[in-house]
Amino acid sequence: DGGITQSPKYLFRKEGQNVTLSCEQNLNHDAMYWYRQDPGQGLRLIYYSQIVNDFQKGDIAEGYSVSREKKESFPLTVTSAQKNPTAFYLCASTPQGARSGNTIYFGEGSWLTVV
Amino acid sequence: GENVEQHPSTLSVQEGDSAVIKCTYSDSASNYFPWYKQELGKRPQLIIDIRSNVGEKKDQRIAVTLNKTAKHFSLHITETQPEDSAVYFCAARVNTGFQKLVFGTGTRLLVSP
Repeated sequence: DGGITQSPKYLFRKEGQNVTLSCEQNLNHDAMYWYRQDPGQGLRLIYYSQIVNDFQKGDIAEGYSVSREKKESFPLTVTSAQKNPTAFYLCASTPQGARSGNTIYFGEGSWLTVV
Repeated sequence: GENVEQHPSTLSVQEGDSAVIKCTYSDSASNYFPWYKQELGKRPQLIIDIRSNVGEKKDQRIAVTLNKTAKHFSLHITETQPEDSAVYFCAARVNTGFQKLVFGTGTRLLVSP
C-alpha cells in the first residue's frame, strides 16, 4: 500500500473547471485503476489500465479522462462534464492486471469537493 | 450485470461478541473474494481473501466462508474489539478478461466497549 501515492489529498473545484488527480506507484505494477466512493456506498470503477498507453472505461467513465504514458503514473482528470464530482477518489494497482489471484492495493485517496 | 449485495448495512456489537457480515454475488464465474476494512477517510485495507477452490479461510480472529453453490460468502470476526470498528467491504472478481472487482455497499461495524 505504501507504494501508491495520490495527490492532492484535498482538492476544491469550481463549477466549469477541469481538475487532475495524480496517482504514482513504485511497485512495478502493470495494472492501475481509478475508483470513486460516495458516502455510504461502495467503490465504483471509473477507468482502468492494464498496460502503458492503453486504458479502458469502467462503469462510470462519463465526465472523466485518463492517460497512461508511463507505467508508474495514471492521472485522472475530472472534467466539467462530470456534473456531480464531489466524492472520495481512490487509485489502485495490481501486479498483473489480467491474470488471476492478484490483490488490489489502494492509494490513500483524494477528496474532491465542488465549491 | 454484475452485482454484489452486502448485509447488514450497519452492525453494532458489544466488545467480545462475534460479528458476521454476508455477501451475495451474481456472476457464477467469480473466483476471488477479498474483504476490505476502511476507517474514516482512509483507504481500504485488505484483511482477508478467499479463492473459489476453498470453502473457508482463517486468520486469527477473522474468517471467511464461501458457498459457491449459493453464491454466498461471509466474514466472521470473533472476540471483537473497539479497534475493529470500521466499514467493511466485500468484493467479487468478475470474469471480464481482466481483474475487475465489484464491491458491496459496505457494512459499518461499531464495537462498543
